[in-house]
Amino acid sequence: GAVVSQHPSWVICKSGTSVKIECRSLDFQATTMFWYRQFPKQSLMLMATSNEGSKATYEQGVEKDKFLINHASLTLSTLTVTSAHPEDSSFYICSAKLAGANQETQYFGPGTRLLVL
Amino acid sequence: GNSVTQMEGPVTLSEEAFLTINCTYTATGYPSLFWYVQYPGEGLQLLLKATKADDKGSNKGFEATYRKETTSFHLEKGSVQVSDSAVYFCALLSSGGYNKLIFGAGTRLAVHP
Repeated sequence: GAVVSQHPSWVICKSGTSVKIECRSLDFQATTMFWYRQFPKQSLMLMATSNEGSKATYEQGVEKDKFLINHASLTLSTLTVTSAHPEDSSFYICSAKLAGANQETQYFGPGTRLLVL
Repeated sequence: GNSVTQMEGPVTLSEEAFLTINCTYTATGYPSLFWYVQYPGEGLQLLLKATKADDKGSNKGFEATYRKETTSFHLEKGSVQVSDSAVYFCALLSSGGYNKLIFGAGTRLAVHP
């Protein structure tokens, strides 16, 4: 089956630094990738949708200048949390979708847990 | 707006016990409903789905019925196994223009021998 990897799986950083999370589709080309965030005991929330070669579309309330998304190839998308603060500590999950596939047919990465001190 | 509410976990069961994980939703129109499962160290996987009222989705012994009258999509399994230990997410996809998955918070299931 289709596999999506994320790196790193865990990251701890100091407040004010930037953190980059990679999302890779290992055995298929993903025209669309999604980034989600989950705070403890809360729902998994969509942050943004990115199509290869285009600017990402951010959900309402998500700061595009703080969460930089790059989808430069069909197998790689990156999320950079700029000037991270403790309130950005969360679980970040990416997913990928093939062109023409149903919206529910997303292949999810295992997630990255970010802790900002 | 659209939302999904799941029972809070963790749910701890003995092997062969009956499982129910409650899920209710709020949505306009006629959404499609899904259950995803996340095994330890892996990404979420689509477990089952139902696209209209009274549909029953099933897979790997799990079942869920789309109940429009109660806006529910409870997940059930008659006899759980240790290998079913995972986090289960209920989700909906709106039938309107907002074509994005809306997830619940997830329910962790731990099954002991």
